[in-house]
Amino acid sequence: VIWMTQSPSLLSASTGDRVTISCRMSQGISSYLAWYQQKPGKAPELLIYAASTLQSGVPSRFSGSGSGTDFTLTISCLQSEDFATYYCQQYYSFPWTFGQGTKVEIK
Amino acid sequence: EVQLVESGGGLVQPGGSLRLSCAASGFTFSSYSMNWVRQAPGKGLEWVSYISSSSSTIYYADSVKGRFTISRDNAKNSLYLQMNSLRAEDTAVYYCARDCSSTSCYDYWGQGTLVTVSS
Repeated sequence: VIWMTQSPSLLSASTGDRVTISCRMSQGISSYLAWYQQKPGKAPELLIYAASTLQSGVPSRFSGSGSGTDFTLTISCLQSEDFATYYCQQYYSFPWTFGQGTKVEIK
Repeated sequence: EVQLVESGGGLVQPGGSLRLSCAASGFTFSSYSMNWVRQAPGKGLEWVSYISSSSSTIYYADSVKGRFTISRDNAKNSLYLQMNSLRAEDTAVYYCARDCSSTSCYDYWGQGTLVTVSS
């Protein structure tokens, strides 16, 4: 099983801030990593796959980077609609696993 | 427009059974692998089960292996999850999710159906 450490678990930020979320793997996964955004009461939505490929329709202020064991999600200029919980997911090997989540809240 | 609509959730006693369904539309269902992912109240996401497009490959999380069975009917554009021997820790919102093309991220999700296991 590949263990994932996502940090921070809670991030307080203001509109316009640049924020970064980290996801670290217990072993290398090449670029088989996705990022999701989830708002309360809603299903998750895919933001980024293959570590850095933006899903169609996702704003360009979202970006992903990393490979191997260390990955980052960056929101370059936080907007009001970005306050949500974010999850990373590895799909390198079964069982697919998710990070614990990062809640981005209004400071 | 891709749509995934889950149904079949509800309240069930420990040890009971439930069958979830996911109706797919807006895409060629038979060409995509599918998954069930769950989320316990106030908790994170947990992948539950995977089925390939032709049903030839099936995986389960250890937490449900031997109790849950995933299946699909490509003629009916439907995905199923038969859940037996349910436990309190199976209480969650269950989502069906479509695999991204040629990879196992999830590009479309249903709205979820709540399963509550309680006496």
